[in-house]
Amino acid sequence: QVQLVQSGGEVRKPGASVKVSCKASGYNFTTYGISWVREAPGQGLEWMGWISAYTGNRNYAQKFQGRVSMTTDISTGTAYMELRSLRSDDTAVYYCARVVGAFDVWGQGTRVTVSS
Amino acid sequence: EIVLTQSPATLSLSPGERATLSCRASQSISTYLAWYQKKPGLAPRLLIYDASNRAAGIPARFSGSGSGTDFTLTISSLEPEDSAVYYCQQRYTWPLFGGGSKVEIK
Repeated sequence: QVQLVQSGGEVRKPGASVKVSCKASGYNFTTYGISWVREAPGQGLEWMGWISAYTGNRNYAQKFQGRVSMTTDISTGTAYMELRSLRSDDTAVYYCARVVGAFDVWGQGTRVTVSS
Repeated sequence: EIVLTQSPATLSLSPGERATLSCRASQSISTYLAWYQKKPGLAPRLLIYDASNRAAGIPARFSGSGSGTDFTLTISSLEPEDSAVYYCQQRYTWPLFGGGSKVEIK
């Protein structure tokens, strides 16, 4: 079946970086793009950006420009999201999602905690 | 930037009742709107895409309607498992979510 499996939870100190992985299976990875969405405690869903698994083209939400990098490894069918210069308000659950127009398949989420 | 405004913020209804959730866009987004269900500790679940199309495996009690700036998600007969936060999302421009509507089952 189609699924996205994300890496495990992470704890980082302010100013550090974190890289989350999202491994796809059950479909041709290069056919669809991947978006990253986060949910901070008590907050709603926030779109961070998108990457085409085929071309590598990407678009980041303005809020994260300069701090986020999204990449893919076609050989393993894995997408990555790296967020740098972490702050306490980056504490959130981070999700990857397959983009078919809407976001039809989601990873299970990766909790990232930023704390000194 | 397109803004999506969802209402009501919270809806409290009994099982079997009808739930009507609204999503209003600050400018026309044609039918480029999706609805998601979010439960605590779980990933979001796609319910409706392109305003009115049910995603695979979604029960028929969920339906979506609207175009332009005004959209509605209707749950025709609430089940206890429908307790969740519901988000609309536009993809007319780069994706953006509304603030969510919480449905509570009495």
